[in-house]
Amino acid sequence: KAGVTQTPRYLIKTRGQQVTLSCSPISGHRSVSWYQQTPGQGLQFLFEYFSETQRNKGNFPGRFSGRQFSNSRSEMNVSTLELGDSALYLCASSFRGSTLAGGHPPTYEQYFGPGTRLTVT
Amino acid sequence: AQSVTQLGSHVSVSEGALVLLRCNYSSSVPPYLFWYVQYPNQGLQLLLKYTSAATLVKGINGFEAEFKKSETSFHLTKPSAHMSDAAEYFCAVSDRGNYGGSQGNLIFGKGTKLSVKP
Repeated sequence: KAGVTQTPRYLIKTRGQQVTLSCSPISGHRSVSWYQQTPGQGLQFLFEYFSETQRNKGNFPGRFSGRQFSNSRSEMNVSTLELGDSALYLCASSFRGSTLAGGHPPTYEQYFGPGTRLTVT
Repeated sequence: AQSVTQLGSHVSVSEGALVLLRCNYSSSVPPYLFWYVQYPNQGLQLLLKYTSAATLVKGINGFEAEFKKSETSFHLTKPSAHMSDAAEYFCAVSDRGNYGGSQGNLIFGKGTKLSVKP
């Protein structure tokens, strides 16, 4: 089974521009989460999409947005780029179903892609 | 609010020595806990997970972790370090989701860089 793929792998943008990053989840996975990784702040959750709807959102400004398509592929967009947006952006996919009757609910661990390294100059 | 604390941003061990990476969590309800490893210029790879079944969890590459509720800890261990274990390790926590399974928003610790000396 193919893993999570992210494109592009590297990107250089100028302050004030906007950027779109793409993530293709593992086949059969319907949940996609996005994370930002920086040396100063570490790994921070951006948002999660499931069935084309945003389910969870982290504490990031409105310049950060995302969407999910019917095939579960997801994109995130950052508008009006700032120098501080330079980071590794990681996408993770997981299987999300419904709660099983009885017993422990299934665990849906997240599988990460290789990331997109964004540099803002 | 949930949080994760990893004690020690850098840990150095000799090849063949015990690896112990510490993780303490804060959560108001029984959480899901994870350990991930990240090699340079790569994404995160899942090492193991705790889902409230067995408290001693075995993962890949000889790693294991023990969930201790009384200590709110989930430390990662490996009996004998190998040079290939040099990487950064992240402990993460998530809530239980309404749809079953874990929530999609992992809360990560700051990470521990493991160095292995020959």
